[in-house]
Amino acid sequence: QKEVEQNSGPLSVPEGAIASLNCTYSDRVSQSFFWYRQYSGKSPELIMSIYSNGDKEDGRFTAQLNKASQYVSLLIRDSQPSDSATYLCAVLQGGSEKLVFGKGTKLTVNP
Amino acid sequence: GAVVSQHPSRVICKSGTSVKIECRSLDFQATTMFWYRQFPKQSLMLMATSNEGSKATYEQGVEKDKFLINHASLTLSTLTVTSAHPEDSSFYICSARDAATGTGLNYGYTFGSGTRLTVV
Repeated sequence: QKEVEQNSGPLSVPEGAIASLNCTYSDRVSQSFFWYRQYSGKSPELIMSIYSNGDKEDGRFTAQLNKASQYVSLLIRDSQPSDSATYLCAVLQGGSEKLVFGKGTKLTVNP
Repeated sequence: GAVVSQHPSRVICKSGTSVKIECRSLDFQATTMFWYRQFPKQSLMLMATSNEGSKATYEQGVEKDKFLINHASLTLSTLTVTSAHPEDSSFYICSARDAATGTGLNYGYTFGSGTRLTVV
């Protein structure tokens, strides 16, 4: 069973701070990685996708990928209370269309 | 962007009855749709992969006779929970990929809004 591991948290940061979310995966041949945000009682919404080693920035969000270390992270700059949610790391299983999700990290941004 | 519509959003049914959940891709064709289940404070667990025009592929431990999946068109997949029991109460979510994007790396999955099933 391919695994995706995340620190379940909860992670609490003050408004305006940087929130750092981490994820490791076991499937070495995976090439596509995604971060989803899920508000309580809602379905996940895609925030970022990353496929190449290095950083990818989109507004206040930066995804980082290190395939050698099998590590993906998401940085949220200038965190806002509206960013409070559970963040799910998802990895596209190598050679298939299946997304494997981590258990998610609950983030709380305190005003 | 791609939109996936899922209905109903909430359903309460009696134990022993069946419930059908619909998942529609509104502005794209989806040869493949996925059905997930999420229990409280747990992550999404893939139940099955729904393939247009063929039988669904179920994940290990998921009863195919209990969770009937039909993907009769490129825009519609349905999940029927048969003879539902209280332990089937969960949040069911579908997702779909745009068939036009092929198998390239640059795609993401679009999720439906989810169905909260409560079996009493």
